[in-house]
Amino acid sequence: KNEVEQSPQNLTAQEGEFITINCSYSVGISALHWLQQHPGGGIVSLFMLSSGKKKHGRLIATINIQEKHSSLHITASHPRDSAVYICAVRRFRAGGGADGLTFGKGTHLIIQP
Amino acid sequence: DGGITQSPKYLFRKEGQNVTLSCEQNLNHDAMYWYRQDPGQGLRLIYYSQIVNDFQKGDIAEGYSVSREKKESFPLTVTSAQKNPTAFYLCASSIIGQLNTEAFFGQGTRLTVV
Repeated sequence: KNEVEQSPQNLTAQEGEFITINCSYSVGISALHWLQQHPGGGIVSLFMLSSGKKKHGRLIATINIQEKHSSLHITASHPRDSAVYICAVRRFRAGGGADGLTFGKGTHLIIQP
Repeated sequence: DGGITQSPKYLFRKEGQNVTLSCEQNLNHDAMYWYRQDPGQGLRLIYYSQIVNDFQKGDIAEGYSVSREKKESFPLTVTSAQKNPTAFYLCASSIIGQLNTEAFFGQGTRLTVV
């Protein structure tokens, strides 16, 4: 079983719809990242969360540490939101350090006009 | 502007040849990472480095090598020992010494071995 699971794998919606992408993880973490990958391949960091909720424009990310679950919401979705959205976690290591992120497989989102 | 530069964007090589992917950052980050992405799979960690002249194997290091001679640069060599080298490769960097640090990514290199 993957340490980071995302759902759904694919999502097609109409412009204006409210979008929710879910991420569940099974390890202790120090932070959770939501990333966006466009067809060209480059990845942009959208949010980094360790608790609670963050909002940036039409994007909202929440995390429930006890339930090991995070959601990414897009309000008033637009075709330009079409991309792959990736959940990634930084596993908790005593003393910090830098041993990379563990990624979900991504959610391929298509917003139709 | 600060960022991570990967080059080239597309790379074609013949089977059996070694190939080196470039990654440069001007963010003054100590930590740098190489990830591999295959269709339908999450990114997987190949190698990472926390400091100059030091690096650690990730989950799928076999068939790859790296060097970290300068803080800004972390090149990845895909050797002929890598059985399935065709993939999308992403370089990333971050600050270390803090539990919660942003991750910055390059634009990636798509390697095709024929």
